[in-house]
Amino acid sequence: RKEVEQDPGPFNVPEGATVAFNCTYSNSASQSFFWYRQDCRKEPKLLMSVYSSGNEDGRFTAQLNRASQYISLLIRDSKLSDSATYLCVVIHNTDKLIFGTGTRLQVFP
Amino acid sequence: DAGITQSPRHKVTETGTPVTLRCHQTENHRYMYWYRQDPGHGLRLIHYSYGVKDTDKGEVSDGYSVSRSKTEDFLLTLESATSSQTSVYFCATTRQTYTPDTEAFFGQGTRLTVV
Repeated sequence: RKEVEQDPGPFNVPEGATVAFNCTYSNSASQSFFWYRQDCRKEPKLLMSVYSSGNEDGRFTAQLNRASQYISLLIRDSKLSDSATYLCVVIHNTDKLIFGTGTRLQVFP
Repeated sequence: DAGITQSPRHKVTETGTPVTLRCHQTENHRYMYWYRQDPGHGLRLIHYSYGVKDTDKGEVSDGYSVSRSKTEDFLLTLESATSSQTSVYFCATTRQTYTPDTEAFFGQGTRLTVV
């Protein structure tokens, strides 16, 4: 079993839709959590950190559930430009950055 | 953009030859990471470094070695390249890892083909 798991998708949604991704992690010593975005053939870039109390950045909302060991990303009012792969990232207390396999989102007109 | 440079950006090499990939940073970040990315697997950690001369293995370290003799450079070596090491390799750096504000910065990737 992978340490960080995501549904690979693809999620195909129309513009304006709301879409949610989940990510589960197995190591209870994980201490920091993030969502990264990766466009085709490009390097990953930070989308947002995930705080214990949950946090929002414009159309994006991230949540952390430590008891169930999962994090989520909600995208509201999807845009064509949101089409990308979304990577869940977990940092252990060993300083390792562990990536999920990514969830591909395709927004269509 | 953060100053993370990978070299070479593209390389084709023959099976059995040694290959070294270089990651150079100008951010003075303590932590550096090497990943490989393959379809269906996402980014998998090969090795990482938490300081000069301090390195540790990731989940797919077999066939790879690393060295970090100074803060700014992290080298990944394939001692004897195999076709299964054909992949896209990413280097990443972070200043710290223990806060939610930690951001990892990535190089642009190296596309390695072993024939």
